[in-house]
Amino acid sequence: AQSVAQPEDQVNVAEGNPLTVKCTYSVSGNPYLFWYVQYPNRGLQFLLKYITGDNLVKGSYGFEAEFNKSQTSFHLKKPSALVSDSALYFCAVRTPTSGTYKYIFGTGTRLKVLA
Amino acid sequence: NAGVTQTPKFQVLKTGQSMTLQCAQDMNHNSMYWYRQDPGMGLRLIYYSASEGTTDKGEVPNGYNVSRLNKREFSLRLESAAPSQTSVYFCASSWTGGRTEAFFGQGTRLTVV
Repeated sequence: AQSVAQPEDQVNVAEGNPLTVKCTYSVSGNPYLFWYVQYPNRGLQFLLKYITGDNLVKGSYGFEAEFNKSQTSFHLKKPSALVSDSALYFCAVRTPTSGTYKYIFGTGTRLKVLA
Repeated sequence: NAGVTQTPKFQVLKTGQSMTLQCAQDMNHNSMYWYRQDPGMGLRLIYYSASEGTTDKGEVPNGYNVSRLNKREFSLRLESAAPSQTSVYFCASSWTGGRTEAFFGQGTRLTVV
């Protein structure tokens, strides 16, 4: 079965420090990987994606993510965290199932950036 | 350009009542999805529609029905609401190909009492 795991329910980091939000996946074939952010009482907003090519992808708001095929991971990173980065982050994978692409989401990681 | 629009934003139902959640997108996307979000469980796919005229069950379809009315609109119906259906519901749309991201609506917060 295809799945996405976000092993940490919550990540706390001090403002100005680097942050990492972890994601691992289990799929057959080549995955397309995505990160989304959700602010309170809002829908999900797309941050970045990995399709192919360079393993380090850059996205919105200074976020980047590193794709590691051997470890089946796609961790979200930012060199210097801001208090405004505090939100719920979701990792997702999209693979063809029965000829139709569906998005499979992880359970989410709450990021708290402390001033 | 509104993106994905969901109505209503909030709803309280009594057990056994029915209702339809509406979703419309203006990006000419082929595929549309309904997810529910529950604490600690992330987003779970209820139903999806790969293209106009087709619908398929997702991970948690029981108690729901859907209609892909046209390319723009994809509705979710609860025929007989149950407290277990208390959740936040999100509609999303995307191109059918795998390389593209989905766009989400603002969500509907449903409480069944």
